[in-house]
Amino acid sequence: AQSVTQLGSHVSVSEGALVLLRCNYSSSVPPYLFWYVQYPNQGLQLLLKYTSAATLVKGINGFEAEFKKSETSFHLTKPSAHMSDAAEYFCAVVSGGYNKLIFGAGTRLAVHP
Amino acid sequence: DAGITQSPRHKVTETGTPVTLRCHQTENHRYMYWYRQDPGHGLRLIHYSYGVKDTDKGEVSDGYSVSRSKTEDFLLTLESATSSQTSVYFCAIRGTGEEAFFGQGTRLTVV
Repeated sequence: AQSVTQLGSHVSVSEGALVLLRCNYSSSVPPYLFWYVQYPNQGLQLLLKYTSAATLVKGINGFEAEFKKSETSFHLTKPSAHMSDAAEYFCAVVSGGYNKLIFGAGTRLAVHP
Repeated sequence: DAGITQSPRHKVTETGTPVTLRCHQTENHRYMYWYRQDPGHGLRLIHYSYGVKDTDKGEVSDGYSVSRSKTEDFLLTLESATSSQTSVYFCAIRGTGEEAFFGQGTRLTVV
């Protein structure tokens, strides 16, 4: 069964600094991978997705992620953090039939001035 | 906005009472899902549906049942609510791609 591990439940960066949120997956087949963002008291919003096309995926709000099969990773990055990026971020992988999503535990990003 | 409405948005209920949460979609999509979100666990799948009257269990289905009598509605029932079911519940639908779109969530407190 597929699974996802997010390293670091909390990440804190300065405004303007690089954002790096880590996600490793386990999958016996080529995976479909996603990053979602959740702002306080809201639902989840899709940031980007990997579906076996380009390994570098660009998403909304300046985020991107690189699929590395050799490292089973799909880390999320943004060159320059903005205060509005403060939120919780979830990595997810499709598991089994019917496109069920398996989520990581989430990483809460704090951005300080 | 993916056309998903969850109701109620907030509910407080007593232990032992039945509770039903509703998810309504306007997109006519086939696949619908119920997740619960708890700190440190991310989102965990409770039940899912792949068509009218076609449902199956997810990883945390004990104590929950679902029904889907119409394409647009997916109901989640806590048969006898317990404090361990205090959580935020999210409904999701799968669109034409592989990704899921989520509702705004229902915050349920069992006292």
